[in-house]
Amino acid sequence: NAGVTQTPKFRVLKTGQSMTLLCAQDMNHEYMYWYRQDPGMGLRLIHYSVGEGTTAKGEVPDGYNVSRLKKQNFLLGLESAAPSQTSVYFCATIHTGELFFGEGSRLTVL
Amino acid sequence: GENVEQHPSTLSVQEGDSAVIKCTYSDSASNYFPWYKQELGKRPQLIIDIRSNVGEKKDQRIAVTLNKTAKHFSLHITETQPEDSAVYFCAAFSSNDYKLSFGAGTTVTVRA
Repeated sequence: NAGVTQTPKFRVLKTGQSMTLLCAQDMNHEYMYWYRQDPGMGLRLIHYSVGEGTTAKGEVPDGYNVSRLKKQNFLLGLESAAPSQTSVYFCATIHTGELFFGEGSRLTVL
Repeated sequence: GENVEQHPSTLSVQEGDSAVIKCTYSDSASNYFPWYKQELGKRPQLIIDIRSNVGEKKDQRIAVTLNKTAKHFSLHITETQPEDSAVYFCAAFSSNDYKLSFGAGTTVTVRA
């Protein structure tokens, strides 16, 4: 789907552990986004980037960090995972004016 | 920042009837309004979108209307079919900060 790949697809973490989600796009697009999806709450924007080397906060940035060192990659990091971060995470990029999503990453924090 | 509200949260319709979902937004700089359909366990998929210079757009059984003055937009599905059952999300893209903000979603169930 528009060349957006997320890894890993599934992960179980213990409270306090750290991890990084990788989003890779092969379309040379500038804008990339990280959302989390929780039941009944829709998609909430965590962080986003409008170009290589730039990042900005979304609605729910606390507990997450991001980096966009290369244009094609947007990394989402959890330094110290908490059960409240159990969610499905979607990366997205804009392609011909439309937002396309990766397949999602299901993260469980115990 | 942008705030997108979506109603209703659930909608049950008889097959063949119409379904209407309404959204409001707050940021006057928003200029692009896509709608997404998400089936269980899958990623959201774009079904239709509208830009701020257009009042209405149609694609077969799906139509979207936009009222910029009132800051609201709606999705209309006619002649609903069981395969229309899914969660639908509206969204608004702001040209100010390049954020795409989503409504909370509407679970549509089409009864056969």
